[in-house]
Amino acid sequence: DQQVKQNSPSLSVQEGRISILNCDYTNSMFDYFLWYKKYPAEGPTFLISISSIKDKNEDGRFTVFLNKSAKHLSLHIVPSQPGDSAVYFCAAIPNTDKLIFGTGTRLQVFP
Amino acid sequence: EADIYQTPRYLVIGTGKKITLECSQTMGHDKMYWYQQDPGMELHLIHYSYGVNSTEKGDLSSESTVSRIRTEHFPLTLESARPSHTSQYLCASSGQGYGYTFGSGTRLTVV
Repeated sequence: DQQVKQNSPSLSVQEGRISILNCDYTNSMFDYFLWYKKYPAEGPTFLISISSIKDKNEDGRFTVFLNKSAKHLSLHIVPSQPGDSAVYFCAAIPNTDKLIFGTGTRLQVFP
Repeated sequence: EADIYQTPRYLVIGTGKKITLECSQTMGHDKMYWYQQDPGMELHLIHYSYGVNSTEKGDLSSESTVSRIRTEHFPLTLESARPSHTSQYLCASSGQGYGYTFGSGTRLTVV
């Protein structure tokens, strides 16, 4: 049973445009959400996070939105750059237990 | 500068060999994790530890074993490698906060 789902396995966006990566979850007990970025042959790196008591968190070009009623979060990257091409994982955590990762979305930013 | 180190980065080894993948962290984190990522994107938790002499199996069944004799060290061992073990192995640790810090991973190929 996949508690954290990323329904789009891939996304292709033109450089300079907005990238929107989506994530859905089923467990209303999740109280913290994170996004990780992963390049091939490297480990995931932390990108941005949001607490369940907030609905938006922004860090430079990256903004995460949380809609608790819909159990949905999204990561917006604007403007997208070629260096953003990577696999993005959303992750959720209930009460400082283990992180639960989504299935990943491969983002390709083309010139 | 990485605070969690994995060696080797790449390993090609013959079937039947015993291998140990090393993972060390300098952050004093109690919690450590091993993930496996196959050519598909999903991250599968195979082992975790919440402290010295504590190890648990993760969500994905694995023939590997782990040990946690020291806080900073969490090696993973395969007694007899098989081609089905070919994968990327990622080590992570976490402290009091919610996020994980990942190592750079070991790309294992069993021929």
